[in-house]
Order: sequence, then structure tokens, then C-alpha cells
Amino acid sequence: DTGVSQNPRHKITKRGQNVTFRCDPISEHNRLYWYRQTLGQGPEFLTYFQNEAQLEKSRLLSDRFSAERPKGSFSTLEIQRTEQGDSAMYLCASRAGAGELFFGEGSRLTVL
Amino acid sequence: GESVGLHLPTLSVQEGDNSIINCAYSNSASDYFIWYKQESGKGPQFIIDIRSNMDKRQGQRVTVLLNKTVKHLSLQIAATQPGDSAVYFCAENSGRAFGNEKLTFGTGTRLTIIP
Repeated sequence: DTGVSQNPRHKITKRGQNVTFRCDPISEHNRLYWYRQTLGQGPEFLTYFQNEAQLEKSRLLSDRFSAERPKGSFSTLEIQRTEQGDSAMYLCASRAGAGELFFGEGSRLTVL
Repeated sequence: GESVGLHLPTLSVQEGDNSIINCAYSNSASDYFIWYKQESGKGPQFIIDIRSNMDKRQGQRVTVLLNKTVKHLSLQIAATQPGDSAVYFCAENSGRAFGNEKLTFGTGTRLTIIP
């Protein structure tokens, strides 16, 4: 257990539904990241927060995706109108300053 | 374009032997490299990192070698143990000093330790 907590661990939803994932980073880690990982592939960067500010977003983050970190602590990743291609593991990671990046165990999304 | 790839998707090694996992990258601006281990159902776990001003770095049972001339990175695991069985990813970052926080991961190599 790295200390980065993600919920829910598994989510099965029907196409067109909205889903939200939550990430609780390690306490006092000011930097928080979301990555997406599909089967057999390495993680792909989605977005990055420093405190509450979203400073970097990937082109992978379409307008159906939104991430927030309102108080600079936990973060949420919402996917609206899910599509089957959204099925993946959504990984959250955090670090303090330039330190080591710690990943959570991920939230697996299955869109039927 | 920017990509990080691995030479072999799978590797089987006898327990106690040494293993070498290779990785090629294409972005000559990459200045920071990391190896991650990912066990089934878990998130990636940091193993070791190396900056572009170094060509070798050692940890506990692991060594990372960086050859910037041919854009090649390798992870050596000594005296492999069953617990080393996992998927290993190399990742790179370019321009971290300039605020680039994005890590680009390779596809991964599955390492299986044979008892």
C-alpha cells in the first residue's frame, strides 16, 4: 500500500452513463496526477495538479473528461457519457515536490 | 514523434539468475528516466531512476544503465527472486526542470521467474 487511495476500485457501467473516480493522495503531497492504462499498455498521462491548480492536460482528456482538485487535497475524475473505449484502469499518483511518484492501485472501469 | 518502446514483451529467467530488461526511447530531449514494476492488480511501483547526466546507477539488486548515444536504457536485476515476477515499464520525462510533469511510459516487459 503506497498511501495513495483510489475509489472505487472497480466500476461497471453502461455506455452513456457518467462515472466519477476519487483519489486521495498521500498527505501533504502537493502534486497529483491522473493516468490511464489499457490492457497490455503502459500508463498514459491525462492531467496534473499542483495544489488545486490544474497545470497540464493531455489531448487524451476529451471534453467528456473533467478533473478537479478543489481544496488541493483529494481529486476527482469524472467521465461523462461513457463510451466502450473508456474502459481502462485509471491511475492516480502523487508526490511532494520533486520527490518519488507514488501510484495508487487504480480504478478499473468497464463500459458495457 | 516521442515514444518509448521495449525490445521484448516477455522474459523468463531461472530463479537466482540475473535478468536484463531493455528499453529504447526516441526523444533526444529526455533527461530523466525511471523504471517501474507493476504486479497484477496493482499500480506501478518505483524501482530506480536515472538522470541524463549519468550513465549508471545502482540500487539494491538493481542497476540501471543509460546509453544516450543510442537512446537505450536497461534494467538489470541480480539474483532474481519469485517476487520479481511482474511487468516492468521504463518511463521518460523531458524538461522536468522546466515544469514538464508528463511521464511517457513504454509498453512493458513481463518478467517471469521460474522456480
